[in-house]
Amino acid sequence: AQTVTQSQPEMSVQEAETVTLSCTYDTSESDYYLFWYKQPPSRQMILVIRQEAYKQQNATENRFSVNFQKAAKSFSLKISDSQLGDAAMYFCAYRREKLTFGTGTRLTIIP
Amino acid sequence: NAGVTQTPKFQVLKTGQSMTLQCAQDMNHEYMSWYRQDPGMGLRLIHYSVGAGITDQGEVPNGYNVSRSTTEDFPLRLLSAAPSQTSVYFCASRSRDRSQETQYFGPGTRLLVL
Repeated sequence: AQTVTQSQPEMSVQEAETVTLSCTYDTSESDYYLFWYKQPPSRQMILVIRQEAYKQQNATENRFSVNFQKAAKSFSLKISDSQLGDAAMYFCAYRREKLTFGTGTRLTIIP
Repeated sequence: NAGVTQTPKFQVLKTGQSMTLQCAQDMNHEYMSWYRQDPGMGLRLIHYSVGAGITDQGEVPNGYNVSRSTTEDFPLRLLSAAPSQTSVYFCASRSRDRSQETQYFGPGTRLLVL
């Protein structure tokens, strides 16, 4: 079974600074998708960014970018110019057929 | 489009009671799923469906039943609620089209079993 590991239960960053959230996963497949979801206090699951495993180029969405290392099975999220609205739980997820989530990282933004 | 809708938003049950959590989507998505989220854990898959009339078990299916009679609806039934089923439940849907890989989540249902 696939597993997704987020080793940082909590992270904090100064407003306007950059922070990187870590994620590793275990799979024997070569074709799959990886995602980062944001969950603010409202509990709504919001897709931040996705990466197709067959694409070598790292995905980017505005201030959010990933470092996808397929051989190392690593998928970290970098948030640049952190804003107060970025404060949330962040979940890394893997999907080939079914979506498997990590346990999440709580990100706090320090004004 | 309303996206994925869930009702109720919040429910309190007594142990042994039954209830159905409703989920509907208006995006004509083939795939629908139910997850539960417990403190300190990510979302865990309960049941999923790849199309009307087809359902399968996820990671934590015990105590839950599902059916998929239409593309739009995917209700989750608790037959005899237990305190261990206190959780937040999310329904999600996505298209089978590989060019449309985004999974859409409903707003969640908070369930408290006393």
